[in-house]
Amino acid sequence: QVQLVQSGAEVKKPGASVKVSCKASGYTFTSYDLNWVRQATGQGLEWMGWMNPNRGNSGYAQKFQDRVIMTRNTSISTAYMELSSLTSKDTAVYYCTRDLSSNAKYWGQGTLVTVSS
Amino acid sequence: DIQMTQSPSSLSASVGDRVTITCQASQDISNYLNWYQHKPGKAPKLLIYDASNLETGVPSRFSGSGSGTDFTFTISSLQPEDIATYYCQQYDNLLSFTFGPGTKVDIK
Repeated sequence: QVQLVQSGAEVKKPGASVKVSCKASGYTFTSYDLNWVRQATGQGLEWMGWMNPNRGNSGYAQKFQDRVIMTRNTSISTAYMELSSLTSKDTAVYYCTRDLSSNAKYWGQGTLVTVSS
Repeated sequence: DIQMTQSPSSLSASVGDRVTITCQASQDISNYLNWYQHKPGKAPKLLIYDASNLETGVPSRFSGSGSGTDFTFTISSLQPEDIATYYCQQYDNLLSFTFGPGTKVDIK
């Protein structure tokens, strides 16, 4: 069965970077885009960007354009989302999800990133 | 970018009530719309895809309708386990996605 398993919770200081991983199993990793979605404290769901594991290219929401990088390691079927210049507003649960079109039923369990001095 | 609005932002209803949420896109998105249920501490759960198709295993009290810019999500008979926040999400061009702001549903 399809599974997306994310890395554990992180605590970071303002100005730092965080890298969250998402390990895929149960399907061919390179066949589907991976998206990242976050829910900041008290806020709704927010799409951050997508990454094509086959070609390695990505597209980001304008809000995150200059401080997010999405990458992958196909040998271990793992995607990464790195967010830099963290502020308290980036305290959120970050989710990876395979596909945000009509087959958007596969989500990781979420990774809590806390930004605090 | 396509913007999504939802109303109401929250609602409180009794068990057994019919609950309706509306979602509006800033431009025509055909039927490229998902509805999710999101509970605290859990990943969002896809309920409806392509605006009106019920995801496998989802109870039939959930339904969706609409196309173009105006969409509706309905719970025909609210149950205690339906307490959650509900989001619409568009996927018109597959390169950029947008969620609605969410509707929090409570039991009266």
